[in-house]
Amino acid sequence: DTAVSQTPKYLVTQMGNDKSIKCEQNLGHDTMYWYKQDSKKFLKIMFSYNNKELIINETVPNRFSPKSPDKAHLNLHINSLELGDSAVYFCASSPTLGLAGAKLKTQYFGPGTRLLVL
Amino acid sequence: QKEVEQDPGPLSVPEGAIVSLNCTYSNSAFQYFMWYRQYSRKGPELLMYTYSSGNKEDGRFTAQVDKSSKYISLFIRDSQPSDSATYLCAFRSYNTDKLIFGTGTRLQVFP
Repeated sequence: DTAVSQTPKYLVTQMGNDKSIKCEQNLGHDTMYWYKQDSKKFLKIMFSYNNKELIINETVPNRFSPKSPDKAHLNLHINSLELGDSAVYFCASSPTLGLAGAKLKTQYFGPGTRLLVL
Repeated sequence: QKEVEQDPGPLSVPEGAIVSLNCTYSNSAFQYFMWYRQYSRKGPELLMYTYSSGNKEDGRFTAQVDKSSKYISLFIRDSQPSDSATYLCAFRSYNTDKLIFGTGTRLQVFP
């Protein structure tokens, strides 16, 4: 029933490890996103994909690599984890822009993955 | 100057109070103005959106935009304990997916 789901919910790992977070949406949306929310609750976009094509790629270390096997899935792989990577990572999805112009593209967020790097 | 400024709070009000949450922004390219609500340990959910100056009402919630002053507000009437959450303002320019969020205001409504 869940619209946007993420696994795992919690991830505790050691510095230097490599980890992946998975995201799936069953809303039929074409666009998916990864956001990072830091300890001060600041939510910042990292990447967006439209139909498996990378659209937004913010200034993110190249240790972070998104991968979209199909338009319903967007995974995030993080290499060589650092203490500063500790945060909550949210996946989101939205429908494609309307033909009449830039209609609102409501972004639906997943429940988040809490990553703690020790 | 930060692109978006939002008072982090916390804001603590009694049940039934009128709550006013505000954000200022500096980017004139912002065309879409949104408020998201985020409950503790949950993802943000869209509460209100608008794309023009003026007021938009939805039940107990009113979103207000003043483009000339680059200022947006969210008013909550008859606040309820269930409104206790963090409220994030968000902005988007024309023809882009990218949302720019404020830092969020934590609201607590006590019975």
